[in-house]
This record gives sequence, structure tokens and C-alpha cells, in this order.
Amino acid sequence: SQQGEEDPQALSIQEGENATMNCSYKTSINNLQWYRQNSGRGLVHLILIRSNEREKHSGRLRVTLDTSKKSSSLLITASRAADTASYFCAQGSSNTGKLIFGQGTTLQVKP
Amino acid sequence: SQTIHQWPATLVQPVGSPLSLECTVEGTSNPNLYWYRQAAGRGLQLLFYSVGIGQISSEVPQNLSASRPQDRQFILSSKKLLLSDSGFYLCAWSGGQGASNQPQHFGDGTRLSIL
Repeated sequence: SQQGEEDPQALSIQEGENATMNCSYKTSINNLQWYRQNSGRGLVHLILIRSNEREKHSGRLRVTLDTSKKSSSLLITASRAADTASYFCAQGSSNTGKLIFGQGTTLQVKP
Repeated sequence: SQTIHQWPATLVQPVGSPLSLECTVEGTSNPNLYWYRQAAGRGLQLLFYSVGIGQISSEVPQNLSASRPQDRQFILSSKKLLLSDSGFYLCAWSGGQGASNQPQHFGDGTRLSIL
């Protein structure tokens, strides 16, 4: 399977703490994307990092990419209860825009 | 702005009955379209994708089919549902041009329960 892995599967932290989620993948990529999913809802795109980029920021989000290790991480700083959700990484490898999603990390932020 | 509509939000169907889920996109043209299934607590499995009208690629062998009768309409169908077809079905679109570095935008999904 080309599916990547995410680590940890579940993470529980207090409000104000930082949350780090890791993603490993198996194939060469054009980009690595991170998505958020609130319970019972569709996915929301958070950030896209291209294969020639090493780090990207968006508000309280910081994504890194290490293509030599085939890994990426998502850091959420100063977490809030509203950040509680599942987070998925997705490998973009195809010219058709197809993505291969990981199994996700479930984040719980306690108020 | 672009929007994606997916319906119904929930559906309960008996085994052996037909299925039709519809997804439409507004505010963009020539999108790439995708159907995913998500099992409880799991990641997304790509079922079908389409890069144009009438062009459907199937990713996994299954009991389902997809059609794209119009540029911004994507339909997921089955003639006879199986218990294993239960799940959360998500439709998504991405820009057609430069699709390899485009985000996908998701609908709110349909929760399908087969009895």
C-alpha cells in the first residue's frame, strides 16, 4: 500500500499547549497537504507544502517537510479547545491531483 | 466564491436497494472531481476521480459506479447495495489546471447506513 502513516493516532493536551503530529509517506511526492476534519463533517484544507519547500507557516500552524526522510510534521501552537478535530496528511503525487490520505491523528484539546 | 454541495446528509437504505448520491460544484469550471469513502475512525479511500465530463477513473474494484454528466456534477451510484457499502461518503473538487499542486475542497459528506 502507498498509504502513509500518522503518529500519534490520538493526542490529548491542555489548552495553550502545542500539538505536534507527524506523517510518514512512501512514494515520491509533488506536495504534502494537511487537512482538518471536525466530527461528522467534511475535510478542510489547512496547508500545502511543495516538495521543494522545507517549512511553511499559516497563523498558528507550522508545517515542515523532509523529503530525504519522507516525513512531515504539523505543529499547532497555543492550542485552543476549538482545535479539537482529526488531522490528516495527504500525499500529492499525481498530475491528476489525486491524494493519498493517512489514517489521521485525533486531537483533543481540553479547556 | 466556489462552493460544493453534497446530498443527502444521511441515508438509510436496505440491502439490495439502489443508490444515487449527488455532488455539485459552483463557482468554478473544469474542476477535477473525487469520491471518497471513509470508514469510522479511519482515513479516506479514493473511490473515483474525474478530470472531465464523461471521464471516470476507478481506484478500487467495488459495487459502486460514478458518472459525470455535466462539468460540475458528479454522481455516485449502485444498482444493489451491500452491507459493506456502509460508510461516510465525501465528494471533493480541485482546480483542473496545475492539479498536481492544488488543494482539494470537500463537501459535508453523506452518512450511508445499510440495513
